Amino acid sequence: DVKVTQSSRYLVKRTGEKVFLECVQDMDHENMFWYRQDPGLGLRLIYFSYDVKMKEKGDIPEGYSVSREKKERFSLILESASTNQTSMYLCASKIAGDGEQFFGPGTRLTVL
Amino acid sequence: AQSVTQPDIHITVSEGASLELRCNYSYGATPYLFWYVQSPGQGLQLLLKYFSGDTLVQGIKGFEAEFKRSQSSFNLRKPSVHWSDAAEYFCAVGADNAGNMLTFGGGTRLMVKP
Repeated sequence: DVKVTQSSRYLVKRTGEKVFLECVQDMDHENMFWYRQDPGLGLRLIYFSYDVKMKEKGDIPEGYSVSREKKERFSLILESASTNQTSMYLCASKIAGDGEQFFGPGTRLTVL
Repeated sequence: AQSVTQPDIHITVSEGASLELRCNYSYGATPYLFWYVQSPGQGLQLLLKYFSGDTLVQGIKGFEAEFKRSQSSFNLRKPSVHWSDAAEYFCAVGADNAGNMLTFGGGTRLMVKP
């Protein structure tokens, strides 16, 4: 059974803190994604990685960075969290070619 | 740049009734279209996708969608809704045929009355 796991379901941080969101997939997928989900806006792509140490900016990369040191793990980093980054964060993975994205359960981040 | 509009934020239907969720897209080339479902507390699951060929696409859980190029639409349908279909539904358009760069609509929340 395919699996994408995210390190936390709920996270509360303070403004200015450095925040790490971790995502692990066990399907040997080449591509991994980070999205944020906000009511009425659907999902918006933050960053996309197509290989270890490779990344592409999505639609809303400002205020975020990513790290992919191993194929199975993709981290989203908020260098200095702000209240407008309070959101649900979803990770996904897929094979390099034609295929569907498999999503993790999400991390609901609250920044106070 | 591509965009997706789901005009209905909320829809309520009775169990056993038919369902149609609307999706309109804007994209300059041949679109790659997807419908995902998100049950409460869950990640997204792919219902179906359209890349080319037959414009009527069958998916999982009894869902189907029809691609209409002239109307820039990709509406999702189900002939008889079950209580377990209550969820949020997202339409998405892909900028490439590998399904990487997806743009999602705002979602439609479906409630099912007993």
